[in-house]
Amino acid sequence: DTAVSQTPKYLVTQMGNDKSIKCEQNLGHDTMYWYKQDSKKFLKIMFSYNNKELIINETVPNRFSPKSPDKAHLNLHINSLELGDSAVYFCASSLSRLSYEQYFGPGTRLTVT
Amino acid sequence: AQTVTQSQPEMSVQEAETVTLSCTYDTSESDYYLFWYKQPPSRQMILVIRQEAYKQQNATENRFSVNFQKAAKSFSLKISDSQLGDAAMYFCAYRSTSGTYKYIFGTGTRLKVLA
Repeated sequence: DTAVSQTPKYLVTQMGNDKSIKCEQNLGHDTMYWYKQDSKKFLKIMFSYNNKELIINETVPNRFSPKSPDKAHLNLHINSLELGDSAVYFCASSLSRLSYEQYFGPGTRLTVT
Repeated sequence: AQTVTQSQPEMSVQEAETVTLSCTYDTSESDYYLFWYKQPPSRQMILVIRQEAYKQQNATENRFSVNFQKAAKSFSLKISDSQLGDAAMYFCAYRSTSGTYKYIFGTGTRLKVLA
């Protein structure tokens, strides 16, 4: 049973396209996160939702829009993709926003050509 | 703002030997958490060990232990009896206990284990 799953695992697309990455957790956690890991392996938080409410919104381009239809799902939609968006995107979840332990998904490698 | 620095981009260790990965951080807070995460080639982020800042005792998990020096803001990871499966990227991370509670990661250290 996968705790935090992401689809797709790999995504290759052209500049200017719009794409979505989906994340689901079956742990019953209240809080979910999106991280971006760039080509130099630097991992940085983008967004966090707690019970469908946005609680962390780092300085990312507004082409990135998270959506949480329910607390088990947090999707990431990216408009007008650019070359610099190529990265690995990780979803994670924690029991609550106060919980120190985060459970990570397997990551989605996005390649923009 | 808090920062996490890993000054060793890459380290190598002979199988069965011991290696220490360095991490320093900067914060004005007195209470926080520190973590080491492992990222093998599979990309999965795996929590290796955590340390609560209010605890003086260094955390240990089997072959993994930390040297937490709060005054020096240093948090190193020691891996004993290194195994081939330990080869991975290792990330040091800081998490506040207030505010947004967000994680701040270091830039990572790639560990190679030589047979």
